[in-house]
Amino acid sequence: AQSVAQPEDQVNVAEGNPLTVKCTYSVSGNPYLFWYVQYPNRGLQFLLKYITGDNLVKGSYGFEAEFNKSQTSFHLKKPSALVSDSALYFCAVRVNTNAGKSTFGDGTTLTVKP
Amino acid sequence: DAGVTQSPTHLIKTRGQHVTLRCSPISGHKSVSWYQQVLGQGPQFIFQYYEKEERGRGNFPDRFSARQFPNYSSELNVNALLLGDSALYLCASSLGLAGGANTGELFFGEGSRLTVL
Repeated sequence: AQSVAQPEDQVNVAEGNPLTVKCTYSVSGNPYLFWYVQYPNRGLQFLLKYITGDNLVKGSYGFEAEFNKSQTSFHLKKPSALVSDSALYFCAVRVNTNAGKSTFGDGTTLTVKP
Repeated sequence: DAGVTQSPTHLIKTRGQHVTLRCSPISGHKSVSWYQQVLGQGPQFIFQYYEKEERGRGNFPDRFSARQFPNYSSELNVNALLLGDSALYLCASSLGLAGGANTGELFFGEGSRLTVL
């Protein structure tokens, strides 16, 4: 079984400040980890992924995430937040070869204030 | 390039009715997955289809069924609708079963918002 936890329902930051959205996971085997973003009344958009290799991965819109195997975490980060980053963020994990079957967290609402 | 398209975008049904939701994947993608997203929760996996065969099924009752057509489009059917089936139904496509260059990120449509009264 695999699971994802996003411990914060909401994260509030000021524009220009760094942001972190937390994610921890539980799997049997090597994880493939993903971050997606969802804007109101829209589908999810892929942001970035960790498959193997460098623990720091870079993705779209200046976002990056750090994979920490010992802490089973995959936190999303951005050095300088924009108001337009305000959205709902989902962390997801899968381990098997079934590409369609990802397990998602319940999401974290990021609000960036001017 | 066209992304994943879903229809209808919104629909209202009453309890006990049946609904069919449709999805066209990105051109070249052979895998379609369906997810249910209830308000305030993350998407929950319902089905995956690849090359017209079911490759995975989530913890949903038999009232939920799906199929994939030769052109890789897909339908999700829900029978005997319950109030609890009200949700955003998301279709996602991917290149196929993961492996090699396919690391399995999903490309989602805008969803079909179902309201059951």
